[in-house]
Amino acid sequence: DAKTTQPNSMESNEEEPVHLPCNHSTISGTDYIHWYRQLPSQGPEYVIHGLTSNVNNRMASLAIAEDRKSSTLILHRATLRDAAVYYCILTGGTSYGKLTFGQGTILTVHP
Amino acid sequence: GAVVSQHPSRVICKSGTSVKIECRSLDFQATTMFWYRQFPKQSLMLMATSNEGSKATYEQGVEKDKFLINHASLTLSTLTVTSAHPEDSSFYICSASSGRLYNEQFFGPGTRLTVL
Repeated sequence: DAKTTQPNSMESNEEEPVHLPCNHSTISGTDYIHWYRQLPSQGPEYVIHGLTSNVNNRMASLAIAEDRKSSTLILHRATLRDAAVYYCILTGGTSYGKLTFGQGTILTVHP
Repeated sequence: GAVVSQHPSRVICKSGTSVKIECRSLDFQATTMFWYRQFPKQSLMLMATSNEGSKATYEQGVEKDKFLINHASLTLSTLTVTSAHPEDSSFYICSASSGRLYNEQFFGPGTRLTVL
């Protein structure tokens, strides 16, 4: 299965944009890129997913590189409630339907 | 949005006893449910995948006789930790999917199990 690489941690100030990168250089043509986040002591929460085109929803935007070997989750205005571990996950192929969580990026938001 | 509940949220039991954790999809039919385990400071690890009416598929290294999974209906899956030991203490999280192609999974709030 294709793997993802994320920075261990990032910091941001409240109300500033946050760009969370993810590298997935071995992504296959049918792999979807999913982002989930996990707040402390809670189950993960779906954030966004995409295949080739950039995607926007009420929570975030997902920018996918043209060669699909990397993507960036964009939180347009970080709030303290956005402090969480963010996971970038590929799904598809033999791992269809399954989510394999890596270590993710710990996002700290400063007031 | 889709809601998944888990019960109980916390459980403390003695070593050697069995504990059952329920996972319910409250407002949709979950054709597939997943069970994860998360140790402190670590990421989630998938334990098993269950489809309604079928036997669960366990990930490598997960003992199926110790972690009994039942997915008897489209809204309920249960995980029973049999003969629990202190090393089974962990955060157990379920998720549910409606089964649409590449549909997102909806996660429960988790169950904190402590085995004394």
